[in-house]
Amino acid sequence: SQQGEEDPQALSIQEGENATMNCSYKTSINNLQWYRQNSGRGLVHLILIRSNEREKHSGRLRVTLDTSKKSSSLLITASRAADTASYFCATSTGTASKLTFGTGTRLQVTL
Amino acid sequence: GAVVSQHPSRVICKSGTSVKIECRSLDFQATTMFWYRQFPKQSLMLMATSNEGSKATYEQGVEKDKFLINHASLTLSTLTVTSAHPEDSSFYICSASLAGGPQETQYFGPGTRLLVL
Repeated sequence: SQQGEEDPQALSIQEGENATMNCSYKTSINNLQWYRQNSGRGLVHLILIRSNEREKHSGRLRVTLDTSKKSSSLLITASRAADTASYFCATSTGTASKLTFGTGTRLQVTL
Repeated sequence: GAVVSQHPSRVICKSGTSVKIECRSLDFQATTMFWYRQFPKQSLMLMATSNEGSKATYEQGVEKDKFLINHASLTLSTLTVTSAHPEDSSFYICSASLAGGPQETQYFGPGTRLLVL
């Protein structure tokens, strides 16, 4: 089965509101990454957080990591219609660079 | 920088034919390339890991004789779907790791949508 599960599966908010997505995983990790995918397109890397980090910021993005709970969250503040996309977490374990993706959250931001 | 392209972006073929998808790193050398498959509204599933000059490593359940991968150079990997069938219709995405860079960083191509009739 997939490494990560995300919730909610779908999220609909209005522009200006904050969006929070959660990711849970099953085994120890080296790092966890968040990606964005617009419909029918490739993935865009958003942010990477290492296993020894607890929180990271990048612009309107805030990512937290709780290794004791094997979970991470992505917060998008002051959302915009252009943030409408699917968001995936992906984990990397051991020395291998391959990623295991979560189930994804589809975010819809309406005007 | 770190741009990955895929060609074609969309392909429609008849059942039984073979389809080749190219993945290129345009402005960097990629030690490793990855091939993923994504069904509609689902997540990405890793199919195989491809290292330049060596055989690809396939994930469990992926038929290596059906999905042929060739990583002939540090900038090009190809995925050939042999004897394609309708159930092979999917969105195929490649990614590449930067040679000499942090292996944890992957750069993704825009994807190839395959429809087998």
